[in-house]
Amino acid sequence: KAGVTQTPRYLIKTRGQQVTLSCSPISGHRSVSWYQQTPGQGLQFLFEYFSETQRNKGNFPGRFSGRQFSNSRSEMNVSTLELGDSALYLCASSPGGPAADTQYFGPGTRLTVL
Amino acid sequence: GNSVTQMEGPVTLSEEAFLTINCTYTATGYPSLFWYVQYPGEGLQLLLKATKADDKGSNKGFEATYRKETTSFHLEKGSVQVSDSAVYFCALSASGAGSYQLTFGKGTKLSVIP
Repeated sequence: KAGVTQTPRYLIKTRGQQVTLSCSPISGHRSVSWYQQTPGQGLQFLFEYFSETQRNKGNFPGRFSGRQFSNSRSEMNVSTLELGDSALYLCASSPGGPAADTQYFGPGTRLTVL
Repeated sequence: GNSVTQMEGPVTLSEEAFLTINCTYTATGYPSLFWYVQYPGEGLQLLLKATKADDKGSNKGFEATYRKETTSFHLEKGSVQVSDSAVYFCALSASGAGSYQLTFGKGTKLSVIP
């Protein structure tokens, strides 16, 4: 099976702009989660989607949002970018069922805000 | 809340040395425990997991045992190779309303020298 794919792999934006990141989960996986990785804060949970519904959300401002489509693909959006939003954004998918707690990660999107 | 504490790095070892990376956790209930590995410029790869007390996860020569009495999940490998150089993350998965959220440690960078 193909793994989790994320596009684009690299992005450079300026403060105040908005950005949309895309994630395609492993085939058959219905849960998609997003994480932010920074040198200072480490890996932090953003949100999780299952069957097009947000089931869980981390402690991030409303500028961070996401959605999931009927084919389980997910996008996350960050509006009004700040310098501190520079990070590696990781998407993870989960199979559900007995192994619902096991998440498989994509390569990430490296966002740089200038 | 849930938290994971792992030993500070970086850790530098000679090839064929024994590796231990300590990890302890705080959680309510009975979380699943994971070790993920991140190679430079890549996302996270699942290394091993354990879902209940006294379970041993193992993969590629790495092992970790879920110790509920000491709330620990230490990673070990008997003989490291240069190719094991990476950052290792300990994580726990806690369920809430059917959603699984990973909580990560800060990561331990391992460098193996020939």
